[in-house]
Amino acid sequence: KQEVTQIPAALSVPEGENLVLNCSFTDSAIYNLQWFRQDPGKGLTSLLLIQSSQREQTSGRLNASLDKSSGRSTLYIAASQPGDSATYLCGVGLTGGGNKLTFGTGTQLKVEL
Amino acid sequence: GAGVSQSPRYKVAKRGQDVALRCDPISGHVSLFWYQQALGQGPEFLTYFQNEAQLDKSGLPSDRFFAERPEGSVSTLKIQRTQQEDSAVYLCASSYSQPGSGNTIYFGEGSWLTVV
Repeated sequence: KQEVTQIPAALSVPEGENLVLNCSFTDSAIYNLQWFRQDPGKGLTSLLLIQSSQREQTSGRLNASLDKSSGRSTLYIAASQPGDSATYLCGVGLTGGGNKLTFGTGTQLKVEL
Repeated sequence: GAGVSQSPRYKVAKRGQDVALRCDPISGHVSLFWYQQALGQGPEFLTYFQNEAQLDKSGLPSDRFFAERPEGSVSTLKIQRTQQEDSAVYLCASSYSQPGSGNTIYFGEGSWLTVV
């Protein structure tokens, strides 16, 4: 059974800082990995989707990397802003499962002025 | 529509009551998923539809949970004889593609169920 772990559970940083969120998974036979953000009381918003054949994806200030062999993904946020404050979730899809995702418990990020 | 729409947004049910939660996916999306999210946890997979076919219901916690998508569009998640441990946010999600092709998945804002 796939298990997904996210570290740290919570993070508070000053505005402008670059930061890294970590996601690890136990089964390397993944099809894809997606990073989401979730604001309080809201659903999940997809940030980046990495297929298993890819090493990284970039969107604006966000960069996600994938290392299947070590079972790790990182989400890099450059020049953090207060609007980045949210919970970030990593969802892993297994081969043949497509968007049937196994999620970690998330990293709660607070960016302070 | 512009996004995945869920109703009701909030539901308080007395223990033992039946509830029905509705999901309107993005128009044209083939795949539809239901997830359950307990407070402070990540979402957990419940069930998956490809058009009207329920291809995976391995995550449904008990036979009190039932989902349908009869015309391949709107889906309903029904919970019979609700219990306190059913209290959670129920998230619906849809994507354009069939399983294995892993397109971006779009989530609704969820139905918040509290069983008292």
